Amino acid sequence: DGGITQSPKYLFRKEGQNVTLSCEQNLNHDAMYWYRQDPGQGLRLIYYSQIVNDFQKGDIAEGYSVSREKKESFPLTVTSAQKNPTAFYLCASSMARNTGDAYNEQFFGPGTRLTVL
Amino acid sequence: GEDVEQSLFLSVREGDSSVINCTYTDSSSTYLYWYKQEPGAGLQLLTYIFSNMDMKQDQRLTVLLNKKDKHLSLRIADTQTGDSAIYFCAEKGYGTASKLTFGTGTRLQVTL
Repeated sequence: DGGITQSPKYLFRKEGQNVTLSCEQNLNHDAMYWYRQDPGQGLRLIYYSQIVNDFQKGDIAEGYSVSREKKESFPLTVTSAQKNPTAFYLCASSMARNTGDAYNEQFFGPGTRLTVL
Repeated sequence: GEDVEQSLFLSVREGDSSVINCTYTDSSSTYLYWYKQEPGAGLQLLTYIFSNMDMKQDQRLTVLLNKKDKHLSLRIADTQTGDSAIYFCAEKGYGTASKLTFGTGTRLQVTL
């Protein structure tokens, strides 16, 4: 079955620790994304990557870092510089058609709920 | 940046129609999407509409697009308890690579 997996589903960390969230896809998608979801604020884009070894900051990149060494994987590190890291984190992927009017459905993983104690 | 707005909450009785509204600011929007999120889960695409269309119907779902007013709506006919979820609208601007801008989400509560 093709899809996106995120692990773990729940993650607890002490304040000041870095933590890495995993995201893997076997859809052969070029583009991958990380979103943060807080109640009443919708989805906010943290980072995205259109191709291996390249990524761009989204709207709220401060305190986060990513890597894209393989097409299938896009891990997100929440660093100690992130002031309020407790949230639900969603990873997504899509084809990266870059023509201006291309249809680009994003497929989502099940999410990781991070709680910082 | 571009903005997508939705009301936060909607309550309907089972069997009634639900209408979820969305407004957006990007005049270059090409595709507009509706996603559904069940509790503790990721988002699933429900339907989408291309910007040169004004209506799209898919079984119980009807999407209406008013491009002049930048207003999108999702109508769910014969709403069921299984429709209780958060609904997000999202838009893709022209030339914005593959990024989507998501709304704040509308929580739909279906009562008996």
